[in-house]
Amino acid sequence: QSVLTQPPSVSEAPRQRVTISCSGSSSNIGNNAVNWYQQLPGKAPKLLIYYDDLLPSGVSDRFSGSKSGTSASLAISGLQSEDEADYYCAAWDDRLNGPVFGGGTKLTVL
Amino acid sequence: EVQLVESGGGLVKPGGSLRLSCAASGFTFSNAWMSWVRQAPGKGLEWVGRIKSKTDGGTTDYAAPVKGRFTISRDDSKNTLYLQMNSLKTEDTAVYYCTTFLPREDAFDIWGQGTMVTVSS
Repeated sequence: QSVLTQPPSVSEAPRQRVTISCSGSSSNIGNNAVNWYQQLPGKAPKLLIYYDDLLPSGVSDRFSGSKSGTSASLAISGLQSEDEADYYCAAWDDRLNGPVFGGGTKLTVL
Repeated sequence: EVQLVESGGGLVKPGGSLRLSCAASGFTFSNAWMSWVRQAPGKGLEWVGRIKSKTDGGTTDYAAPVKGRFTISRDDSKNTLYLQMNSLKTEDTAVYYCTTFLPREDAFDIWGQGTMVTVSS
C-alpha cells in the first residue's frame, strides 16, 4: 500500500490529452514539492516534473504538472506512442522523514 | 556525459550480505547528495536511503524497512557511492538504482541503470 495514491492505469488515444492524479496528505503533498517520474519499459526512471510544475531541461512541454492542496496531477497533451510508460509521483513525507512514492500509473496509448 | 553506473548485484541467501557500488562521472560528485531507490519485480519505486555531501555534514537517512541493516557510504576520492546490505531478507529482492538527490526539490535527478539483487535460498 503506497503512501501516495495513483490510478493503476489510464489509457487514451494518440494526439489526445490525459491526466494522472496523485493523492496524498498534509504531511507530504500538502506541505512539500511534488515530483513526477517516467519509467519507459525496461528502463530506469527519469525525472519528468519537479517542484510541482517545473520541467527539467530536455523534457517536452507536452508534459505539465499542477498541485492543489493534498493532490497533484500530471497532464500529457498530444499523446504519442512513445509516451507509453509507468508514471510515478513522489513527495517528501514529514511524518516518515523520507520521500514517498505513488504506486505508479501505467499509461497506454490506444 | 553525466553518468551513474551500479555494480555488485547478484544472488545471495537470506541472512547474507552484499555491497553495491555506484560509479559517478560527468559531474562534481563530492558536492552531490546521493540516494538509493529500489524496485521489486513488477512493483513500484521505494526509497532506500540517502547520504548528504560532506560539506553538508555527510549524514545518512534510511527508510524504515532497511534501517539498521543497510549502510550508505561514499568515497569522494573515487567518485563512488556504496550500499552495504546485511541481514538480507527475501523482500529485499529488487533492482537497486543509484540516484543524485536534489535537497531543495526533494527530487531524484540522475539515475543509474540499476543492478539486480536476488535474495533466495
